[in-house]
Amino acid sequence: DGGITQSPKYLFRKEGQNVTLSCEQNLNHDAMYWYRQDPGQGLRLIYYSQIVNDFQKGDIAEGYSVSREKKESFPLTVTSAQKNPTAFYLCASSIVTGGGQPQHFGDGTRLSIL
Amino acid sequence: GQQLNQSPQSMFIQEGEDVSMNCTSSSIFNTWLWYKQDPGEGPVLLIALYKAGELTSNGRLTAQFGITRKDSFLNISASIPSDVGIYFCAGQLSTGAQKLVFGQGTRLTINP
Repeated sequence: DGGITQSPKYLFRKEGQNVTLSCEQNLNHDAMYWYRQDPGQGLRLIYYSQIVNDFQKGDIAEGYSVSREKKESFPLTVTSAQKNPTAFYLCASSIVTGGGQPQHFGDGTRLSIL
Repeated sequence: GQQLNQSPQSMFIQEGEDVSMNCTSSSIFNTWLWYKQDPGEGPVLLIALYKAGELTSNGRLTAQFGITRKDSFLNISASIPSDVGIYFCAGQLSTGAQKLVFGQGTRLTINP
């Protein structure tokens, strides 16, 4: 089945540790996105990428890093500089041409601090 | 970052009732999207709107793209228990990349 796979479902981070969240899609979409969701709030954009080897900061990029070495993969690293990393992280993808193409989401990774 | 004003924040209704929620913005959008999120899962696309004034249905769901391009509403008719969840609106700005702006969500609870 075509879709977006995020792993792991749950992740725990120790103080001072970097952790990497995986996002893989087999929809042949050009664009991929990372969002953060806090309780009772909407989604906030962390980073996005419209093409391989290129990505841009979103609204809350501080303390996060990404890479886009392959079209189907867009991993997110939560670094030790992110002081409040506990949240639900969502990855999405979309086609780029034509404008206004809907983004489709994975099932998320819940990150907690030990 | 910019956010949409989505209301109401929560709704408690009886099964079988109709539901209405809306989003407003000070910015013009080219696209409005409505998503539903179940607990512990990612949002699922319900309806996409691409033209001002457009009215689109998906089963018991109906959504409209406001004439001013600054608002949208979603109606759910004859609600059933599986409609429970959080509904998000999202708008794409007129220019720039494929960035979406999300509302804060409407949490729908249904009493059987």
